[in-house]
Amino acid sequence: QVQLQQSGPGLVRPSETLSLTCSVSGGSISSSYWSWIRQPAGKGLEWIGRIFASGTTSYNPSLKSRLMMSVDTSKNHFSLKLTSVTAADTAVYYCARVGAAAGNGMDVWGQGTTVTVSS
Amino acid sequence: SYELTQPPSVSVSPGQTASITCSGDKLGDRYVCWYQQKPGQSPVLIIYQDNKRASGIPERFSGSNSGNTATLTISGTQVMDESDYYCQAWDSSTVVFGGGTKLTVL
Repeated sequence: QVQLQQSGPGLVRPSETLSLTCSVSGGSISSSYWSWIRQPAGKGLEWIGRIFASGTTSYNPSLKSRLMMSVDTSKNHFSLKLTSVTAADTAVYYCARVGAAAGNGMDVWGQGTTVTVSS
Repeated sequence: SYELTQPPSVSVSPGQTASITCSGDKLGDRYVCWYQQKPGQSPVLIIYQDNKRASGIPERFSGSNSGNTATLTISGTQVMDESDYYCQAWDSSTVVFGGGTKLTVL
C-alpha cells in the first residue's frame, strides 16, 4: 500500500524559503494527484495546493505568489517550496495523496513535519 | 472565496448518535469529504463523495449532503471517536476545509 515519507528542515529563517519533500513508496507517483496541507498549532487545516504527475498545479490563492510545487517521477517524490516565509508560516505541514476521480478525498497522509519560522 | 462553517464543538454520550454539520452556499452541489484527526496524528479520511466510507472505516460513520448542509453522523458513538473532525469541499480546482469540530464523548 502507498506510504508517504516527508523530509525537510524543521527550522527556517524569516524571509528565506521553506522546502519540503514527500517520497512515495508502495505505488507510482504517476497515478494520482498529490497535495500539501498545513496546520498551525491549535488551529485547523489549510490546503496549500496540489500537483499531478504531469506537473499541472492548483494553488491556494492566498499563497500562490510565494508557492511552487514540483514532481520528480524518476525519484517518485514531490516537493513544496514556499518563499519569503514569516512567523505566520509556522505550522505542521502534511503531504497527502488525492484520488483522481471527482470527490475523492485525501486518503493517504504523510507523518507531518513541524516547521518553525524563527531567527 | 468559498467558506465552510462547522460548529466548534459537539458533545455526545457513549452509545448515542452524534451529528456534525458543515454549511456552505449550495454545498449540496459539491462533493464533500470528512476527516478525523486525533491529537498529534495526521488526519484520516473517513467519508468521500458525500457518503462513501473510506477503506477500513466502521459502518457507524455515515455522511449526507443536501442543500446548504453536509452532515457526518456517528451512530453508537464510542469513546474512541473523540476527535477533531473536518469537512472538505472543492471550490473550482481548489480545496476548502471547514474550521473543524471537536467531538467530545462523555
